[in-house]
Amino acid sequence: RKEVEQDPGPFNVPEGATVAFNCTYSNSASQSFFWYRQDCRKEPKLLMSVYSSGNEDGRFTAQLNRASQYISLLIRDSKLSDSATYLCVVNSYSGNTPLVFGKGTRLSVIA
Amino acid sequence: DVKVTQSSRYLVKRTGEKVFLECVQDMDHENMFWYRQDPGLGLRLIYFSYDVKMKEKGDIPEGYSVSREKKERFSLILESASTNQTSMYLCASSWGQNSNQPQHFGDGTRLSIL
Repeated sequence: RKEVEQDPGPFNVPEGATVAFNCTYSNSASQSFFWYRQDCRKEPKLLMSVYSSGNEDGRFTAQLNRASQYISLLIRDSKLSDSATYLCVVNSYSGNTPLVFGKGTRLSVIA
Repeated sequence: DVKVTQSSRYLVKRTGEKVFLECVQDMDHENMFWYRQDPGLGLRLIYFSYDVKMKEKGDIPEGYSVSREKKERFSLILESASTNQTSMYLCASSWGQNSNQPQHFGDGTRLSIL
């Protein structure tokens, strides 16, 4: 099982829609979770950390389910500018990799 | 704001050349990382460093080396460039003594090896 798995998409949604991405992780000892956003041909940028109790930042809500080992990102009222690839990131105490990046889920918001 | 600066946005080199990619961060972060990103493969960690003069191999260190002589600077070296090292290279930094903190990325260097 891969350490971090995401549905690659693409998710094509109309403006104003609500869209949710899930990400599963394999290491039950993981303690830190993040969502990053990456625009085409640009660097990944931190979107938000994910806390145990869940957290919200404007139209974005992140949730963590430790029992099932997944995290989610919900985007409400999608904007054209939300079109990007969203990377799920988990810290890992195994192997050589301090943070493990998922391959990303592509979102296209359509007018 | 964290600023991670990579020396070149685009670079074209020839097979067999020794290539240096430079990265500087201005936030006094302990940790620095080099990744490459290729379509369909995601981000792959090449090397990282938790302190000056320290280095750790990532998942794909073969064909690369690194240097960290000063805390703010982390250099990636392609000893003898090959065409399969054509890629987007991303440098990142983070603070703290463990792996729990988020990483902040530079703009990336698109390297083409001809």
